[in-house]
Amino acid sequence: DQQVKQNSPSLSVQEGRISILNCDYTNSMFDYFLWYKKYPAEGPTFLISISSIKDKNEDGRFTVFLNKSAKHLSLHIVPSQPGDSAVYFCAASGVEETSGSRLTFGEGTQLTVNP
Amino acid sequence: GAVVSQHPSRVICKSGTSVKIECRSLDFQATTMFWYRQFPKQSLMLMATSNEGSKATYEQGVEKDKFLINHASLTLSTLTVTSAHPEDSSFYICSARQGWSNQPQHFGDGTRLSIL
Repeated sequence: DQQVKQNSPSLSVQEGRISILNCDYTNSMFDYFLWYKKYPAEGPTFLISISSIKDKNEDGRFTVFLNKSAKHLSLHIVPSQPGDSAVYFCAASGVEETSGSRLTFGEGTQLTVNP
Repeated sequence: GAVVSQHPSRVICKSGTSVKIECRSLDFQATTMFWYRQFPKQSLMLMATSNEGSKATYEQGVEKDKFLINHASLTLSTLTVTSAHPEDSSFYICSARQGWSNQPQHFGDGTRLSIL
């Protein structure tokens, strides 16, 4: 059961344009969402997060939008730069009785920004 | 800030060898550390969660006697793959989190394990 899904395995955009990466989830207990960026042979790098009490969080060129009713979140990157080319993972966690609060990851979307 | 160092980055060894991977939080104290495994073109799969000073919690299907986890301090966790076999070849990544929920996990750069 894939609780976090990124339906687009790849996305290609032109430098300077907006990149929109999408993520859907099924578990209504998720209350914290994150986006990570990953280069080959490296660990994921944390980009931005959002709590379920918000619907938008912005940090520089990165903005995350959360639509709780649709169980959907998206990451907007504007303007896109060639250095943004990487795999982007959406992740979610929820309140758990144990202290784990583990992350559930989506499958990732390969973003390619063309010069 | 929030740097996680994972060592070694690459291991190639013979079948039957035990391999230890270290994960250190360099500039923060990690209440919880996590170990993941990633197969090619797939997402990260959580193997286990460990809190400092207590036994790790393993995900379903992960053999705790095969993948030994020690989290002896707030800055160090180790994963030992015991008697490794070719099917254990994978990319192993650790992460560390300061505090409890609603804090991001910060990841190490991973260890590429190849068992011949």
